[in-house]
Amino acid sequence: AQSVTQLGSHVSVSEGALVLLRCNYSSSVPPYLFWYVQYPNQGLQLLLKYTSAATLVKGINGFEAEFKKSETSFHLTKPSAHMSDAAEYFCAVSDPTNFGNEKLTFGTGTRLTIIP
Amino acid sequence: DGGITQSPKYLFRKEGQNVTLSCEQNLNHDAMYWYRQDPGQGLRLIYYSQIVNDFQKGDIAEGYSVSREKKESFPLTVTSAQKNPTAFYLCASSPLPGLAAANVLTFGAGSRLTVL
Repeated sequence: AQSVTQLGSHVSVSEGALVLLRCNYSSSVPPYLFWYVQYPNQGLQLLLKYTSAATLVKGINGFEAEFKKSETSFHLTKPSAHMSDAAEYFCAVSDPTNFGNEKLTFGTGTRLTIIP
Repeated sequence: DGGITQSPKYLFRKEGQNVTLSCEQNLNHDAMYWYRQDPGQGLRLIYYSQIVNDFQKGDIAEGYSVSREKKESFPLTVTSAQKNPTAFYLCASSPLPGLAAANVLTFGAGSRLTVL
């Protein structure tokens, strides 16, 4: 079974500061990993995904994440926070070898607040 | 534009009543999913379907039912057997299972159900 753990249900950063949202995964096989963002009262949008190619993945809105197998981590970063980044962020994992049954398992989410 | 339409956006229900949430997609995706979102618990999978006239239970299927009579539609019924139905419900879809892109979900804007 796969799982993800997001450390910190709430994170606050000042505008212009570094954003770091943490995600650790558990998987018996090399996983696919994802970050999704959710704005209030909306569905989720894909930020970026890791599918066993480059370990540093760049996504939309200036976000990136690095897959570190030794640390079983896939932390999300952005060099300089913007007010529009305020949202809830979800890390998710899937098993790419489970053909025909690719389901995502989501973390519990991290709410990001940007301080003006 | 292609996307997923969920309706209604807000719904109030009395205890003991069944209610059906609509989900329609025009992305020509084969797989469709229903998730329930509660504060601090992330997204939990209720049901999913990878092909018309077939669907599987997710992690929290008790008290819910679905149908998949058309590729574009995947309605969710919240029955009176669901003990705590107040939640935000998200419908999603993805391309054919087995493809790398199958792991990338497109979400609707959600339906918020409140039981009075």
